[in-house]
Amino acid sequence: AAGVIQSPRHLIKEKRETATLKCYPIPRHDTVYWYQQGPGQDPQFLISFYEKMQSDKGSIPDRFSAQQFSDYHSELNMSSLELGDSALYFCASSPRAGSFGEQYFGPGTRLTVT
Amino acid sequence: QKEVEQNSGPLSVPEGAIASLNCTYSDRGSQSFFWYRQYSGKSPELIMFIYSNGDKEDGRFTAQLNKASQYVSLLIRDSQPSDSATYLCAVTQGGSEKLVFGKGTKLTVNP
Repeated sequence: AAGVIQSPRHLIKEKRETATLKCYPIPRHDTVYWYQQGPGQDPQFLISFYEKMQSDKGSIPDRFSAQQFSDYHSELNMSSLELGDSALYFCASSPRAGSFGEQYFGPGTRLTVT
Repeated sequence: QKEVEQNSGPLSVPEGAIASLNCTYSDRGSQSFFWYRQYSGKSPELIMFIYSNGDKEDGRFTAQLNKASQYVSLLIRDSQPSDSATYLCAVTQGGSEKLVFGKGTKLTVNP
């Protein structure tokens, strides 16, 4: 079965640089979620989109922005990167209709800021 | 107090035994409850979800929910070494679809 696709899988950036992470949800899933997981931590919700509109917002820094496009893929844009932004970034998708909120996670992007 | 609490473990069981993982949550408005398995450096994998009181079984896994006690559990029967991973409990809270995770319980199944 098709899964969530994330790119790139690994990304190394320097402080103050920008990064763009991409997420392609499972076909026919219309809701996308972004999570950040630091070393030894549980995933923390950043932001979500349903039908290209922001549906919920969590602890996302103002330096980050995201959007969902007409083909339902989503991009997380991160600017003025800081060392503390080094983490695993997961995208998850869900079919809003007929679901109980179950979310399926992609493989993640490991971001390292040096 | 964290909104979703789990015993951090580690929990160690012998192969073939039953592993019991527990989770409590603070928000009585929580609606859906999920168990994810996460291998080191990998993404969370959905194992079970439950939304009504009682038991839900899927193969070797059984999820149990008691909303009055704000308690969710996961039982793994006939544990296998391949079940060794961190198990994350997650809930969705009233009015929101975001998942709130516990810190996870690390399970080791010894051959």
